[in-house]
This record gives sequence, C-alpha cells and structure tokens, in this order.
Amino acid sequence: DAGVIQSPRHEVTEMGQEVTLRCKPISGHDYLFWYRQTMMRGLELLIYFNNNVPIDDSGMPEDRFSAKMPNASFSTLKIQPSEPRDSAVYFCASFLGYNSPLHFGNGTRLTVT
Amino acid sequence: DQQVKQNSPSLSVQEGRISILNCDYTNSMFDYFLWYKKYPAEGPTFLISISSIKDKNEDGRFTVFLNKSAKHLSLHIVPSQPGDSAVYFCAASGGNMLTFGGGTRLMVKP
Repeated sequence: DAGVIQSPRHEVTEMGQEVTLRCKPISGHDYLFWYRQTMMRGLELLIYFNNNVPIDDSGMPEDRFSAKMPNASFSTLKIQPSEPRDSAVYFCASFLGYNSPLHFGNGTRLTVT
Repeated sequence: DQQVKQNSPSLSVQEGRISILNCDYTNSMFDYFLWYKKYPAEGPTFLISISSIKDKNEDGRFTVFLNKSAKHLSLHIVPSQPGDSAVYFCAASGGNMLTFGGGTRLMVKP
C-alpha cells in the first residue's frame, strides 16, 4: 500500500483566497483524521471521520474551516477565506480503529501571505 | 489543558549511549500509548506502542516503559545512532482519538 497520500505538498496563497487540501487514506482504514502542526500548539486534531461520517469537529478553529469525506478513499479540508495565521503543516492520517497505530501522510505545508 | 506532556523540548546524546525520552499524561482513561518519530518534511511515523495492561514493550533497540500509577511513559533507545536524530512524539488514546505531546527533538552526535 502507498500509505496516506496528501496533496499538494506545498501551498502558497494570498490572504482571502480559498485553499483546498486533499487526502487519500490507506485502503480499508475506517477512520480519517486531519491534524495541524504549529510551533505554538504542536499537533492538534481538527476533525475526524468514521466510515465517511464526521464524528468530532470540535478542533476546527473557525467556520472558515470545513472538511468533507465524500467516499472512503478521499477527503478534503477547505479554508475559505484563508488568513496568515492559518499557515502551518496540515496532516491527514488514517487507521483501522481502537488500539491500532495511526498512519500519517507527509503533510501539506500551507503558507498564507 | 495539555493531557499529554513532553517536558523536554530537546535532548542531545552521544552515539552508542542510551536515549531516554519521557512523557506524562493526566487522563486516567487513556489505555493505549504510542511513540512516533518525525523527520523534517515528513509525516510522523509509528515507532512502538504499549497497552495499559503491560508495563514494558520492546522492539529491537526501542523499549517503551509504562508506569500507570505515575501516569508516565518513557522511550529508551539503546544504542542511539545518528539516524535516530528526529522529533519524537508520544501519544495516548482512550478510544478512537489520539492526543499528542508537544514533541522532543533528539540529537544523536557521532
């Protein structure tokens, strides 16, 4: 298996623009997570899905952030409008479930100027 | 409120010696603990885990120890190698969500 695949690897955009990050989880994994890594807050969970259904989105910072999982092999995280403080590395991860390890993609480094 | 804490932001060790990375947690409902290793420009990769029914788990040069009464876990790397230089995250789970510590940057000097 190719692992969790994220695109793009890098995204540079101007404040106010819409940003869409994409993720393909490992096949067969029922859970998908979006994390954000910053120097100040470390790895923080934004939202997770189980069987394509959002379960907990309490980590989503604002209404400008939204996430979807239209099918078992694809998820998006959208920021609209983007702001400079959204600059971070965004990771997608997936796993089989309880007491199994989480597998991460290589992340998308977002820079909002 | 940080439920998982790694109090040492960095650690420097000589090649061949033991590296000990520490992690504390506050939530007694956590029952599964993991360590991840992260290189620059890559996602965290799973290293080793331990269930709360155990107090030790070993995999090659890596051993994780769990002290439930102290709510403390540690990762031992013996012997340390320069390729082990990375950021190490501990994580804890009480269900389907992992809570991560802030990470410890390990530098292994040749």
